[in-house]
Amino acid sequence: GDSVTQMEGPVTLSEEAFLTINCTYTATGYPSLFWYVQYPGEGLQLLLKATKADDKGSNKGFEATYRKETTSFHLEKGSVQVSDSAVYFCALSDRQTGRRALTFGSGTRLQVQP
Amino acid sequence: DTGVSQNPRHKITKRGQNVTFRCDPISEHNRLYWYRQTLGQGPEFLTYFQNEAQLEKSRLLSDRFSAERPKGSFSTLEIQRTEQGDSAMYLCASSLATADTQYFGPGTRLTVL
Repeated sequence: GDSVTQMEGPVTLSEEAFLTINCTYTATGYPSLFWYVQYPGEGLQLLLKATKADDKGSNKGFEATYRKETTSFHLEKGSVQVSDSAVYFCALSDRQTGRRALTFGSGTRLQVQP
Repeated sequence: DTGVSQNPRHKITKRGQNVTFRCDPISEHNRLYWYRQTLGQGPEFLTYFQNEAQLEKSRLLSDRFSAERPKGSFSTLEIQRTEQGDSAMYLCASSLATADTQYFGPGTRLTVL
């Protein structure tokens, strides 16, 4: 079945540092890929997505590129802020079956220190 | 606010009691999904509806769980005879059937004592 593997956290960075959170996936079909973010006490929010190979999703300074050859969708940001502290989830949606239910990774907690 | 809403936000119950949660999706969305999230883990798919039809149930959804979406609007998730292992955050999401992007509600946190 489909699966998503994320790097374990917590990831602790100083403000303005460069961020990378690794995500790799296994899918039987040709999935869409997502990053969701969960701030403390809040629900999941879509951060960015990509639907085909070599697509780059971007939002709020975050970027991720759909790499079919390495089955990866790593999240990057050039300069993190304290307000970026949250849990980040990589997910995929199986378009082949049409149901589009999301398969999530276990999440990576990011802590940004001033 | 036209986002996905869930009620209640928190529920504490004793083992063996029944509980019911409600989800109101974004009004034009015809798909509605339920997920369960335990501490330190990502959400896991439970079931989904297209309009009023329940199209799939995960093997995680035991016989004690039932979900409905009458008239294709709001949905309810009922857990009968709750167990301590049911303690989790229950998340609802909605989308258009033709779209990949799901929009999540704030969740209902269930604690079974």
